[in-house]
Amino acid sequence: DAGVTQSPTHLIKTRGQQVTLRCSPKSGHDTVSWYQQALGQGPQFIFQYYEEEERQRGNFPDRFSGHQFPNYSSELNVNALLLGDSALYLCASSRSSYGYTFGSGTRLTVV
Amino acid sequence: GIQVEQSPPDLILQEGANSTLRCNFSDSVNNLQWFHQNPWGQLINLFYIPSGTKQNGRLSATTVATERYSLLYISSSQTTDSGVYFCAASRYSGGSNYKLTFGKGTLLTVNP
Repeated sequence: DAGVTQSPTHLIKTRGQQVTLRCSPKSGHDTVSWYQQALGQGPQFIFQYYEEEERQRGNFPDRFSGHQFPNYSSELNVNALLLGDSALYLCASSRSSYGYTFGSGTRLTVV
Repeated sequence: GIQVEQSPPDLILQEGANSTLRCNFSDSVNNLQWFHQNPWGQLINLFYIPSGTKQNGRLSATTVATERYSLLYISSSQTTDSGVYFCAASRYSGGSNYKLTFGKGTLLTVNP
């Protein structure tokens, strides 16, 4: 039973560029959440998708957007990258928002 | 929203020692989980425990929901237990507020 898979594992981008991160949820899960984890900090909630719609959003600017597909997989898009966007991006899936399972993350470096 | 506080922030043990990590939360919760973050960044789910007690091998956890705290016990620690332990909670109510709020974590170092 595959868990949550994220791609790519590492990424280096230049300031001002755009990036797309991908997530496939655990089998049987229908809800996908995205988190940003800066070095030495706990993960911070970006947003959650359910039934292909953004259900809740954290305190992140509109440069952060997402999408959920009919097969429950999800993408996180970040536009106009800033140096401060460098972080580990974690995807979590769940069934009805209980008992989250996390992927291994995408480590984004903005230079 | 919910506030989650963890203690201690850092803990250094010798292999074989036991430890207790604490998580306090500010409101009643529907979801409380303990995670271990490995050196590669993955958050490994240890327990889903909004209330009660669970055990898994050398690890066990207890959540006293009425007093708004949870404890993670690690017995006979091993060097592979090293890493950051996070407590995270959410309070889902009325079709909103699904986000999982994390504490700042406890950095555990187990020396051989």
